[in-house]
Amino acid sequence: SQTIHQWPATLVQPVGSPLSLECTVEGTSNPNLYWYRQAAGRGLQLLFYSVGIGQISSEVPQNLSASRPQDRQFILSSKKLLLSDSGFYLCAWDRAAEAFFGQGTRLTVV
Amino acid sequence: KNEVEQSPQNLTAQEGEFITINCSYSVGISALHWLQQHPGGGIVSLFMLSSGKKKHGRLIATINIQEKHSSLHITASHPRDSAVYICAAPLWGAQKLVFGQGTRLTINP
Repeated sequence: SQTIHQWPATLVQPVGSPLSLECTVEGTSNPNLYWYRQAAGRGLQLLFYSVGIGQISSEVPQNLSASRPQDRQFILSSKKLLLSDSGFYLCAWDRAAEAFFGQGTRLTVV
Repeated sequence: KNEVEQSPQNLTAQEGEFITINCSYSVGISALHWLQQHPGGGIVSLFMLSSGKKKHGRLIATINIQEKHSSLHITASHPRDSAVYICAAPLWGAQKLVFGQGTRLTINP
């Protein structure tokens, strides 16, 4: 069956530390993959999307990067976290009409 | 202007009231999704709609393709329904999954 796994659910990291959030998809092939961020009290903002392995598009300049090493794996990374990177991060995929959403990761940078 | 717009942004109601949250879109979409996010919580998928109406418990979602509009209704609302409700849509012919800004619903006992 089609699903999406995103972990961890919550994360507390010190400023300047690296970040790696992973998202994996099951039950489909060649999906479009997305990373979104939601700052406190705000809506979901698209950070990155990918239409295929190694193909990453960035919507906004930031301290983050994304990679898609395999068809169903999407990774969000940072070399050095900033306080402003705190927020709720959501991975999602879509293919034609269907879309699936990860549970999200609540990141607090301290 | 966002391709997907929700209204209202905030909604406060008393327990038992009938709730309606609206979502309008300005472009072609493949389907429309309604999501729920409780305070401090993750995202839960409620419905995926491409036409007509779907019902799950006290939640009802409708979509009018011609008018490019969808509504989420909650009957006999309860404080545990307090959450942010978000509509999202994959856009036709584009690698883009667009979210509405969300509606923050508060149900008071």
